[in-house]
Amino acid sequence: RKEVEQDPGPFNVPEGATVAFNCTYSNSASQSFFWYRQDCRKEPKLLMSVYSSGNEDGRFTAQLNRASQYISLLIRDSKLSDSATYLCVVNKRTDRGSTLGRLYFGRGTQLTVWP
Amino acid sequence: DADVTQTPRNRITKTGKRIMLECSQTKGHDRMYWYRQDPGLGLRLIYYSFDVKDINKGEISDGYSVSRQAQAKFSLSLESAIPNQTALYFCATSDLWTGKPDEQFFGPGTRLTVL
Repeated sequence: RKEVEQDPGPFNVPEGATVAFNCTYSNSASQSFFWYRQDCRKEPKLLMSVYSSGNEDGRFTAQLNRASQYISLLIRDSKLSDSATYLCVVNKRTDRGSTLGRLYFGRGTQLTVWP
Repeated sequence: DADVTQTPRNRITKTGKRIMLECSQTKGHDRMYWYRQDPGLGLRLIYYSFDVKDINKGEISDGYSVSRQAQAKFSLSLESAIPNQTALYFCATSDLWTGKPDEQFFGPGTRLTVL
């Protein structure tokens, strides 16, 4: 089973639409969760961290469900500039529970927003 | 100026050649990483280093070696390049002392083609 699994899409939505992406992770010991954005042929850029209580940054809302090992990203009022691939990212602590973790990246969900 | 830089940005080489990819950062971060990205496979970790004296293998280290010459520099070498090492390579950094050691920041990438 892969460490991180994402809905691959692609999602094609009109401007102004609301779109949601889902992600599941396999390691219940994971402690840090992120959404990264990657434009075509560019580097991934941190979009937002995901906290247990859920968090919002403008039009973007991230939710974490530890019991189900599930992460989501909601984008409201989509803009053309939101077109990109969204990567779900999860850390994995070492077996000794240290803070030395590694990140595992999902394959990404492609979003295209059309005018 | 970019915080994380990679050289070269593009490279075409032949099977059997030795090649080095370089990464430099001005963020003052202690941790550095090398990833490769292949279409449909997402980002995979090759090597990572938590300080100058610490080097660790990632998921796919075979055929690669690294050198952490200084806190700010982390090089990836392909001793004898083969065509299936054709990929997009990213360097990334993070820092334990920010309190967010898992938030990684990526360089612009090196597109490597092995003929």
